[in-house]
Amino acid sequence: GENVEQHPSTLSVQEGDSAVIKCTYSDSASNYFPWYKQELGKGPQLIIDIRSNVGEKKDQRIAVTLNKTAKHFSLHITETQPEDSAVYFCAARLNSGYSTLTFGKGTMLLVSP
Amino acid sequence: DAMVIQNPRYQVTQFGKPVTLSCSQTLNHNVMYWYQQKSSQAPKLLFHYYDKDFNNEADTPDNFQSRRPNTSFCFLDIRSPGLGDAAMYLCATSRDKMAEQFFGPGTRLTVL
Repeated sequence: GENVEQHPSTLSVQEGDSAVIKCTYSDSASNYFPWYKQELGKGPQLIIDIRSNVGEKKDQRIAVTLNKTAKHFSLHITETQPEDSAVYFCAARLNSGYSTLTFGKGTMLLVSP
Repeated sequence: DAMVIQNPRYQVTQFGKPVTLSCSQTLNHNVMYWYQQKSSQAPKLLFHYYDKDFNNEADTPDNFQSRRPNTSFCFLDIRSPGLGDAAMYLCATSRDKMAEQFFGPGTRLTVL
């Protein structure tokens, strides 16, 4: 089955800095890669996703890049703000009607004012 | 505005006492999922429904059951909760299996 590795497990940055979280996946047949943000005591919220037919996607301060050859994808947050502090999960899914999401172990991002 | 609703938000039960968690959705999505999330871990899929078709993950204990009486509602039944079942239980929905998943706020289960 699919295996997703996520790094780092914790990341501390100063407000205004950029933050980068990286994930690698094992199954080259995976073609959908979402990122979720989970605040304390809440359910995960989808913040951005990318499919394998594109290499990069941006949404305001958030961007995701995908390298299918190397089987890794990354989340980039620019101009970080304290409200960006949360746990971020990456995930991958195979291109199959019966496949489900495989999550990474999460990254706790702390943005200090 | 709430799209995926979970009740209750906090549930306390006793060791071995059956408990039912509830999820409802206003999105009319075909797929509903139940995940278990323990502290500082990723969500772990227990099972999902595609319409009325039930799909159990291979490592989901028999102690966990689910019911989906209609499109909008899905229930998670834990027949005999153990201390190891204390966790956040997350419900999610998607339009179909290839679409993005939307999560509810979760139910935090405590087992005494």
